[in-house]
Amino acid sequence: SQTIHQWPATLVQPVGSPLSLECTVEGTSNPNLYWYRQAAGRGLQLLFYSVGIGQISSEVPQNLSASRPQDRQFILSSKKLLLSDSGFYLCAWRGGYNEQFFGPGTRLTVL
Amino acid sequence: DQQVKQNSPSLSVQEGRISILNCDYTNSMFDYFLWYKKYPAEGPTFLISISSIKDKNEDGRFTVFLNKSAKHLSLHIVPSQPGDSAVYFCAASDGSSGDKLTFGTGTRLAVRP
Repeated sequence: SQTIHQWPATLVQPVGSPLSLECTVEGTSNPNLYWYRQAAGRGLQLLFYSVGIGQISSEVPQNLSASRPQDRQFILSSKKLLLSDSGFYLCAWRGGYNEQFFGPGTRLTVL
Repeated sequence: DQQVKQNSPSLSVQEGRISILNCDYTNSMFDYFLWYKKYPAEGPTFLISISSIKDKNEDGRFTVFLNKSAKHLSLHIVPSQPGDSAVYFCAASDGSSGDKLTFGTGTRLAVRP
């Protein structure tokens, strides 16, 4: 069966510091992968998606970037965090017809 | 522009009764709709989906209804259980944008024992 991992689970970072969040998927090959953010009291906003190694599409211009160095690895990064980057970050993979399955998430607090 | 809207931020229901969560959309190109359930500090869990060629899909206690003319879908939970207390998100996709999902802002369901 497929599983999706995210780490770290929680992170507190100062403004201006770098960021690296990692997502890995097991039990499937060449999955479509997604990064979402849920800000406090808001819905899920799609940030990036990837259909393969090295292929990244950005949905919202922002302070973040994504990379896919391996088939089942998806990384979310920032060179300098802003206060507005705080939120709950979710990685997902596509399965079935068009269902997306989410990881456990990373709670990021920027101080 | 919020293409998927969940106008009720919260809902409270007695255990054993029916919970009805509503969702409206504006993009007529959407052809696939999904419901997710989310507990605090966890990722959303896929519940049920429906294609635009159908008007109803049922899975156990969960039924999703789609009214394309009204651009409205709803999730019915019968009977409601305390463990159903969570935030519910509806989501939609259209074939022209690939498999990207557009999410609503969520409805918090509280099931009272």
